[in-house]
Amino acid sequence: QKEVEQDPGPLSVPEGAIVSLNCTYSNSAFQYFMWYRQYSRKGPELLMYTYSSGNKEDGRFTAQVDKSSKYISLFIRDSQPSDSATYLCASEPGGNEKLTFGTGTRLTIIP
Amino acid sequence: DADVTQTPRNRITKTGKRIMLECSQTKGHDRMYWYRQDPGLGLRLIYYSFDVKDINKGEISDGYSVSRQAQAKFSLSLESAIPNQTALYFCATRSNTEAFFGQGTRLTVV
Repeated sequence: QKEVEQDPGPLSVPEGAIVSLNCTYSNSAFQYFMWYRQYSRKGPELLMYTYSSGNKEDGRFTAQVDKSSKYISLFIRDSQPSDSATYLCASEPGGNEKLTFGTGTRLTIIP
Repeated sequence: DADVTQTPRNRITKTGKRIMLECSQTKGHDRMYWYRQDPGLGLRLIYYSFDVKDINKGEISDGYSVSRQAQAKFSLSLESAIPNQTALYFCATRSNTEAFFGQGTRLTVV
């Protein structure tokens, strides 16, 4: 079993919809959680970073962590075609160590 | 200029050949990483280095070696390339809260 599981998709939604992307993790030592966005032919870029259970908002993006159920989510409101990318969740036991990535979910926003 | 630069961007090589992928960063961070990305498998860690004198194996280091020439430079070598090493390779450096990735090297072994 992979330490971080992520539905690979692909996921297609119409422009303006709310998108929900999800991951689960199995390592209880994971304390830090991130979402990376990767456009085609580019390296991943950090989208959200959090270390506590609950919600963290940044513009149209909300990261949600539930440590009791080991569940990580990313919500995108008012989705735009420019949000079309692969989204990777990642976790690690402590700051500045080794990230473990999910497999990534490929998202397409249809105009 | 990009914070993390990888060369080459694309490479086709033959089975059995030795190949080196190079990475340099301008972020000034000590930690550097090499990952490979395969469809359905995500990013997997090959090697990582916490400073010039510290090199560590990741989860899939067999068939690879690395060299940390300076704080800013971290190269990955395939001693004898094989077809299942065909993949997209990423170098990264990181701060306490964020990893910065290069643009990737698409390697094809034929």
